[in-house]
Amino acid sequence: GQQLNQSPQSMFIQEGEDVSMNCTSSSIFNTWLWYKQEPGEGPVLLIALYKAGELTSNGRLTAQFGITRKDSFLNISASIPSDVGIYFCAGRVNYGGATNKLIFGTGTLLAVQP
Amino acid sequence: ETGVTQTPRHLVMGMTNKKSLKCEQHLGHNAMYWYKQSAKKPLELMFVYNFKEQTENNSVPSRFSPECPNSSHLFLHLHTLQPEDSALYLCASSHREIMNTEAFFGQGTRLTVV
Repeated sequence: GQQLNQSPQSMFIQEGEDVSMNCTSSSIFNTWLWYKQEPGEGPVLLIALYKAGELTSNGRLTAQFGITRKDSFLNISASIPSDVGIYFCAGRVNYGGATNKLIFGTGTLLAVQP
Repeated sequence: ETGVTQTPRHLVMGMTNKKSLKCEQHLGHNAMYWYKQSAKKPLELMFVYNFKEQTENNSVPSRFSPECPNSSHLFLHLHTLQPEDSALYLCASSHREIMNTEAFFGQGTRLTVV
């Protein structure tokens, strides 16, 4: 079945540094989503990407839908302590009339030291 | 606040107990999902409901029984669970008929089976 390989697994950075994480797959996806999850909470949607090559920003966050439709990256610029959490990528596959499936990556744990 | 509310937030139950998790969405969506999140694993899709009809059961054991009385409410009935069922259970909702669409998550129920 489809799998998403997300890297890195964890990052420990200083406040103010830029962050980059990515997801790759051997399968093609129609949509890429990036979520952030804080301890004890559910994932919160950060950015949604719908077209190959699309580059979208949300404040200090920028994400791109890879041209091959098999990968996506998320960048965070000038990190701050509240960026701490687990970041998940998710790819959506449409099966025609059947259910749209959302496949999740294993997550990237981000720790930011003030 | 994502518009998806889950109760209770925390639940401890014995292996012989019967309990239910509740999810309610105020987003006008018509698809609802149950996910299981265990430590160091990707989010696992359990069930999908579209327009109150179950369209996916991802090989979930029968000790988990979903119910969707209307498109705004989703339940997960639990009975004779095992300790390995301890996890964060997340509910999500989305628009079914729009092909490329985001899923919004509730805050989750942290379940501990003792």
